[in-house]
Amino acid sequence: EPEVTQTPSHQVTQMGQEVILRCVPISNHLYFYWYRQILGQKVEFLVSFYNNEISEKSEIFDDQFSVERPDGSNFTLKIRSTKLEDSAMYFCASSVSGGAGETQYFGPGTRLLVL
Amino acid sequence: KNQVEQSPQSLIILEGKNCTLQCNYTVSPFSNLRWYKQDTGRGPVSLTIMTFSENTKSNGRYTATLDADTKQSSLHITASQLSDSASYICVVILYGNNRLAFGKGNQVVVIP
Repeated sequence: EPEVTQTPSHQVTQMGQEVILRCVPISNHLYFYWYRQILGQKVEFLVSFYNNEISEKSEIFDDQFSVERPDGSNFTLKIRSTKLEDSAMYFCASSVSGGAGETQYFGPGTRLLVL
Repeated sequence: KNQVEQSPQSLIILEGKNCTLQCNYTVSPFSNLRWYKQDTGRGPVSLTIMTFSENTKSNGRYTATLDADTKQSSLHITASQLSDSASYICVVILYGNNRLAFGKGNQVVVIP
């Protein structure tokens, strides 16, 4: 069964450094998402992406964050200058369409630790 | 503010027993409600989906209920198995922008 994959599974970085989290969505899916989950907290929506542009973003997704689909398979989340509070699990998800009844399939996550 | 609250926060049950997890939400209007299962270190996996007009939905040993009047949902696990140990997350999909509002999850531990 096809699944969303994410790399790396874990990343440790120094505060102020840039990180790029990578995701490969399911191949026939058109909508892509990033979420984060701070340890012990709820999963929070960051951004949705369709047709090579951001369709929606949350208040968390400030100028430090950017997303890109550099080729036909990868979907990336870049954090330009990491802060301690960026430490979290970051989940990528994809869906066939953006409809309310459409299931979003989540990847296994990247655990980011900012020191 | 759109809120999704779940209880109990954590639960330990014996293998073979049943349990019920609760979700209360203030999200309005919403288009549908889902329960996700999240194994430790993994991404959430959708178990059930219900529209506001549905009262119950089953997926194997998992049965979800929805009362849109009282804004409550529950997930019932029947004859629990060790593999049911996970966090169960109630997610409400907002009407209009289809954004997902997550609860904090019910942490279930099944012991032999």
